[in-house]
Amino acid sequence: EAQVTQNPRYLITVTGKKLTVTCSQNMNHEYMSWYRQDPGLGLRQIYYSMNVEVTDKGDVPEGYKVSRKEKRNFPLILESPSPNQTSLYFCASSLAGGSSTDTQYFGPGTRLTVL
Amino acid sequence: AQSVTQLDSQVPVFEEAPVELRCNYSSSVSVYLFWYVQYPNQGLQLLLKYLSGSTLVKGINGFEAEFNKSQTSFHLRKPSVHISDTAEYFCAVSYNTDKLIFGTGTRLQVFP
Repeated sequence: EAQVTQNPRYLITVTGKKLTVTCSQNMNHEYMSWYRQDPGLGLRQIYYSMNVEVTDKGDVPEGYKVSRKEKRNFPLILESPSPNQTSLYFCASSLAGGSSTDTQYFGPGTRLTVL
Repeated sequence: AQSVTQLDSQVPVFEEAPVELRCNYSSSVSVYLFWYVQYPNQGLQLLLKYLSGSTLVKGINGFEAEFNKSQTSFHLRKPSVHISDTAEYFCAVSYNTDKLIFGTGTRLQVFP
């Protein structure tokens, strides 16, 4: 089944404790992206990747890191999480290097709480 | 600045009634428009998209949307909603870049 998977689905952590949220897609998509969803703000892009070893900042990259060493994986790293990073996070992928016309496929989401 | 606006944060409606969810975008020469739906506790999935051609776009689950260039709008409609349509709906726009800009979402609540 074609899908985007994220782990963990739920995470409660404390300020400053490094964490990684994994994202994997099995559709051989070139483009991958991370969003955060907050009430009243919709989805905001954190980072995106056009292909392996190519990443770029989205609208809200502060406090986050990403890497794209393999085509299928795009982990999101919070080196020192803070309470303002409490949010619902979505990973997405699409076929081509640009997302202008392509459908994006979303993972199920990761609900992160930073105490 | 490039942006997309969803004017209604919540839309309550009774089952079998028609519904329209509004979406406006900032003007641009070239634009691609999308509606995504998020069912409770799930990720987003594509409902429909407008790339070019006919301004009336039909999507899944009986939804359709009309691209109106003069009013810079892309409103989503369904003639008769079901309880199962209860979800959050996001309008999104791409201005011919590698970026998708999402609106703030409209929560559709269908009552029996």
